Amino acid sequence: GAGVSQSPSNKVTEKGKDVELRCDPISGHTALYWYRQSLGQGLEFLIYFQGNSAPDKSGLPSDRFSAERTGGSVSTLTIQRTQQEDSAVYLCASSRGVSSYNSPLHFGNGTRLTVT
Amino acid sequence: AQSVTQLGSHVSVSEGALVLLRCNYSSSVPPYLFWYVQYPNQGLQLLLKYTTGATLVKGINGFEAEFKKSETSFHLTKPSAHMSDAAEYFCAVSDPSGGSNYKLTFGKGTLLTVNP
Repeated sequence: GAGVSQSPSNKVTEKGKDVELRCDPISGHTALYWYRQSLGQGLEFLIYFQGNSAPDKSGLPSDRFSAERTGGSVSTLTIQRTQQEDSAVYLCASSRGVSSYNSPLHFGNGTRLTVT
Repeated sequence: AQSVTQLGSHVSVSEGALVLLRCNYSSSVPPYLFWYVQYPNQGLQLLLKYTTGATLVKGINGFEAEFKKSETSFHLTKPSAHMSDAAEYFCAVSDPSGGSNYKLTFGKGTLLTVNP
């Protein structure tokens, strides 16, 4: 079946502009996650959704970052007033349940964001 | 707080040689442990995981890893490297206690190069 789909695959934007990154999870997956992968760094947790609710937003680096999920499906990560340090690959993942014990994460191919 | 250390950001082996990728973790409780692989321009794919039970776990593509509590390690091995194994490998942990076992903490990754 279809995997996790992210769009766009690449995005180049000017400093100060807003960007929206989209994630389509695997159908039926109730949990959705956003991670950020910066050059030379591991993956950094940003936010987690269970259905349309976000019980854990602790990883969002500043109030310029926000995310929503609608219909228990598509999620959008919005970065306002982008800065050069926001340049990274943004990865979305989904899972059937919420426990890492028995619900492995399925990752999309990511959106590579470059802020010039 | 949990942390993951992957020794060696870049490992190079010859085709047919043993692959050994090192992972050590810091956690107040025995965590769940994971290895993910990321091929170029793709998302992460789960290789194997340890949650409970047998400490030697086998994954896809001939990889295996052994949980050693006394050494706080979860090293990944493969007896004979193939060219197709060239990728970046990430070790990750989650905390099985409380309600946050959905959140993975990743190491910075190890890039594996396989030479013909």
